[in-house]
Amino acid sequence: GQSLEQPSEVTAVEGAIVQINCTYQTSGFYGLSWYQQHDGGAPTFLSYNALDGLEETGRFSSFLSRSDSYGYLLLQELQMKDSASYFCAALVSGGYNKLIFGAGTRLAVHP
Amino acid sequence: EAGVTQFPSHSVIEKGQTVTLRCDPISGHDNLYWYRRVMGKEIKFLLHFVKESKQDESGMPNNRFLAERTGGTYSTLKVQPAELEDSGVYFCASSPSVVWGREYEQYFGPGTRLTVT
Repeated sequence: GQSLEQPSEVTAVEGAIVQINCTYQTSGFYGLSWYQQHDGGAPTFLSYNALDGLEETGRFSSFLSRSDSYGYLLLQELQMKDSASYFCAALVSGGYNKLIFGAGTRLAVHP
Repeated sequence: EAGVTQFPSHSVIEKGQTVTLRCDPISGHDNLYWYRRVMGKEIKFLLHFVKESKQDESGMPNNRFLAERTGGTYSTLKVQPAELEDSGVYFCASSPSVVWGREYEQYFGPGTRLTVT
């Protein structure tokens, strides 16, 4: 089957840097997305990597290595509002392409 | 622009009862997706509509689940009869036409938390 693995929980302090890893086992892989979900809220799109390397968007960066079937989300200058769940999702091919999600990583940012 | 809305936000029903969840996608979005998240697990794909047509329903658990999207606007997901293992958060998401080329970016609703007792 198709699956993505990511840590269940990560804890960090304000101002720090945290990296959330994601490994995937999928067929027909196109790229890796990241979504953020605050408690009780809707998952919201953060980033997408189709090619190997690092993509930077403000305090957040996302990395992909296709050869290692691995990616990560890097959050810098952590703020309390970054406390949320973060999901990696693989875009895979089909008649219409679809997203396969991981189980999410709950990030807790402490003062 | 209004986002994806879902109704109800919470539903508690007894095993054997019927529940219907509703999703209103962003206006003009052809693609509509249903997902389910059981506590602590992955957000699992259920099905995908393109306009009013079911494009992919490979994730639907069984024939107790019926999804419709009449007229290509809002969608409903009916569970009949509900079982305990159907409990979870049901998310709806939408995206513009595939021509848009950003299939990896979906707009999610806040979900419906279904509890079957």
